[in-house]
Amino acid sequence: SQQGEEDPQALSIQEGENATMNCSYKTSINNLQWYRQNSGRGLVHLILIRSNEREKHSGRLRVTLDTSKKSSSLLITASRAADTASYFCATDYPYALNFGKGTSLLVTP
Amino acid sequence: ETGVTQSPTHLIKTRGQQVTLRCSSQSGHNTVSWYQQALGQGPQFIFQYYREEENGRGNFPPRFSGLQFPNYSSELNVNALELDDSALFLCASSTRTGRTDTQYFGPGTRLTVL
Repeated sequence: SQQGEEDPQALSIQEGENATMNCSYKTSINNLQWYRQNSGRGLVHLILIRSNEREKHSGRLRVTLDTSKKSSSLLITASRAADTASYFCATDYPYALNFGKGTSLLVTP
Repeated sequence: ETGVTQSPTHLIKTRGQQVTLRCSSQSGHNTVSWYQQALGQGPQFIFQYYREEENGRGNFPPRFSGLQFPNYSSELNVNALELDDSALFLCASSTRTGRTDTQYFGPGTRLTVL
């Protein structure tokens, strides 16, 4: 079963706008990761946030983690058409990853 | 590009047949995990191999089996294929440093069962 649940399922924005995706999970975690997948191909690791961290930045990405609410958010600022992809959160599952169903992001020029 | 390769890229099989998928891990990585991703879903963990031993398994029946070789490459075998086995199969390699490490994914093998 999938632990993480992303929200919204689909998001459509214009270039230059910010995109925010949310992830909720059920059990306690050591860390939470975000991955991107283009057109049903392999997943690309974006960022990892540990349970004792509240916020992390990487380039145009900002991730927050609220362990009391069991939720995380991924913010992509100044989006580009190349950001069009599916985004997944993944919680740690002993030695592997437990993925949600993902958010499909469409960025139009 | 992660350095993780998978073969073949696409595969078409019929129900009841057997299939073997292959994965070469990134240089320096000793752990390989396999995932199945059905259309419109997130990847589901099948199993993981660490130093040639199975080290954890998801909710998949025994007809899903695997191997890891001394060079840390890996195979996933699926016997008695069913229509619902149609999916993208992903392998990911990592270096065991803690509870859960960043995983580096290959491009996947698209399996179609007719």
